[in-house]
Amino acid sequence: QSVLTQPPSASGTPGQRVTISCSGSSSNIGNNYVYWYQQLPGTAPKLLIYRNDQRPSGVPDRFSGSKSGTSASLAISGLRSEDEADYYCAAWDDRLSGRVFGGGTKLTVL
Amino acid sequence: EVQLVESGGGLVKPGGSLRLSCAASGFTFRTYSMNWVRQAPGKGLEWVSSIGSRSSSIYYADSVKGRFTISRDNAQNSLYLQMNSLRAEDTAVYYCAREGEQQLVQAFDIWGQGTMVTVSS
Repeated sequence: QSVLTQPPSASGTPGQRVTISCSGSSSNIGNNYVYWYQQLPGTAPKLLIYRNDQRPSGVPDRFSGSKSGTSASLAISGLRSEDEADYYCAAWDDRLSGRVFGGGTKLTVL
Repeated sequence: EVQLVESGGGLVKPGGSLRLSCAASGFTFRTYSMNWVRQAPGKGLEWVSSIGSRSSSIYYADSVKGRFTISRDNAQNSLYLQMNSLRAEDTAVYYCAREGEQQLVQAFDIWGQGTMVTVSS
């Protein structure tokens, strides 16, 4: 069982907006930054969002992150077929003195 | 080109040992913290260990503490993971990941392609 909780799956049609949630606690999300990673099938993960809501250069502005209290969300607008991937949230955990990941959300573009 | 290339994976019996390596190129390796992250077949990502740029700060996940040792050689631009007392549940693809600097600190901004470790009799 992962320290951060994500829904196992999400789906949407092209052009739609989807959100993926990530729930934690005061020792991780509540007191630290949240990061989001995208893992396309058969590839290594890629940094998508850092410091809750910042996009690295090269990441389209269709991807956005937010955080409130002990929860965070990743939103993808204008959904495209190439967005079909697994998405993971992550944060530092003060109690565990280590990084924690969510269990991952498999996004399907219908 | 900024690149991380892992090696050293393979098949090992339960209780055995294995040493993974990660060769870095295209950036000033000695200034970055580095991490190992693993992914069991069909499962999610699990952070394993991290090491500061000068090896002064080292952290481990509880699941590997006492069995795995992370180290680095800044002169050789290399990161290592010594894995002892391996168990079936250690079977996974092991990724090395660079931790970014400045605003990207704590973000894993560069990942290798991974190396597969299989623990089985």
